Amino acid sequence: QVHLQESGPGLVTPSQTLSLTCTVSDASISSYYWSWIRQPAGKGLEWIGRIHVSGSTEYNPSLGSRVTTSINTSRNQFSLKLSSVTAADTAIYYCARGGGQFDHWGQGVQVIVSS
Amino acid sequence: DIVMTQFPDSLPVSLGERATISCKSSQTVLYSSNNKNYLAWYQQKPGQPPKLLIYWASTRESGVPARFSGSGSGTDFTLTISSLQAEDVAVYFCHQYYSTPFTFGQGTKLEIK
Repeated sequence: QVHLQESGPGLVTPSQTLSLTCTVSDASISSYYWSWIRQPAGKGLEWIGRIHVSGSTEYNPSLGSRVTTSINTSRNQFSLKLSSVTAADTAIYYCARGGGQFDHWGQGVQVIVSS
Repeated sequence: DIVMTQFPDSLPVSLGERATISCKSSQTVLYSSNNKNYLAWYQQKPGQPPKLLIYWASTRESGVPARFSGSGSGTDFTLTISSLQAEDVAVYFCHQYYSTPFTFGQGTKLEIK
């Protein structure tokens, strides 16, 4: 059974960079697209972006140039960096498998942006 | 961006009864070259990540009970639960993956009447 696990700081200072990593188990990270999705408390889902081992990336324009993703095949991990965060970036962040429909999700990590 | 609108926002249904959730996209999600609708449905229970139920508008994900079905094409879609079970209480989201940025509906909260 494919397993994804997010990790990273749960508290980020405004204007700093949010950094999260997703570790994938029981699936090769080289075989799929991988995405990041977030959900503010009690609200809907927002797709952040996706990455493929080929180097292909695509991001939600709503986040401008603040988003970057990377992939580490040797560790079977992919990562998210979101710069210049504000309180509006407070949310549960999920990693998921897929570049279209998302068939496997991590449990999510709560990230709070606060000083 | 393609805007996904679900209705109703909240749906009370008696156990054993049918539940129907609608989703409308602001533009077509039907790709003419392969005749596939790039539309998925997810179920989210409190404290859990979303779970994929349906993709290509009507294909059930492996392990999803047969009481869940999806239908529709183009811009209008429906998720139907044929006989509501207690464990189906959740928020349901539709999702288009026809074009980026991928977008989701606002969610429909399904509850027991």
